[in-house]
Amino acid sequence: QKEVEQNSGPLSVPEGAIASLNCTYSDRGSQSFFWYRQYSGKSPELIMFIYSNGDKEDGRFTAQLNKASQYVSLLIRDSQPSDSATYLCAVIRYGNNRLAFGKGNQVVVIP
Amino acid sequence: DTAVSQTPKYLVTQMGNDKSIKCEQNLGHDTMYWYKQDSKKFLKIMFSYNNKELIINETVPNRFSPKSPDKAHLNLHINSLELGDSAVYFCASSQQLPGLATRNEQFFGPGTRLTVL
Repeated sequence: QKEVEQNSGPLSVPEGAIASLNCTYSDRGSQSFFWYRQYSGKSPELIMFIYSNGDKEDGRFTAQLNKASQYVSLLIRDSQPSDSATYLCAVIRYGNNRLAFGKGNQVVVIP
Repeated sequence: DTAVSQTPKYLVTQMGNDKSIKCEQNLGHDTMYWYKQDSKKFLKIMFSYNNKELIINETVPNRFSPKSPDKAHLNLHINSLELGDSAVYFCASSQQLPGLATRNEQFFGPGTRLTVL
């Protein structure tokens, strides 16, 4: 079982719709969770992090964490063409020195 | 000013050659990393250093040798390049080791696209 799994294929959403991305993790001791956005040909940049169960909102982005079910999700409201990118889920366990990344989900926002 | 910089941005070379990639961060961070991102976009840790000390060596062939002359620099030297080494290599830094704080954002450099022919 992979440490961090992002299974869905490319996600196409119409402009203005909600894009929903899911990520599951295998280590129950994981404590902090991150969403990075990576535009094609560019480096990853952090857009959200969450460490408590529940929702965390930042502008059009909402991260949702459910530690009992071991998943973290990212919602992008009012999707814009500029949101077209690959979104990487990453997980860390306190005391572990390594951030584990999922393989990413590509989002394409159609104008 | 660029927070994490890498040189070169592109590197095209023949199999069997030796090459180096340089990385510098001006954020005052203690921890630096090398990641490899393959053609399927999977981002995998290779090495991490904390205050010039090697922390992680993630089963990388010993043809890859990182060097940290000071905590602001982490270079990667690759001997005897192989076709499978073709990838994008990202340098990153963070304030401290990942497991020591709730939020410990990693800042990535622009990447070096290595193509081995």
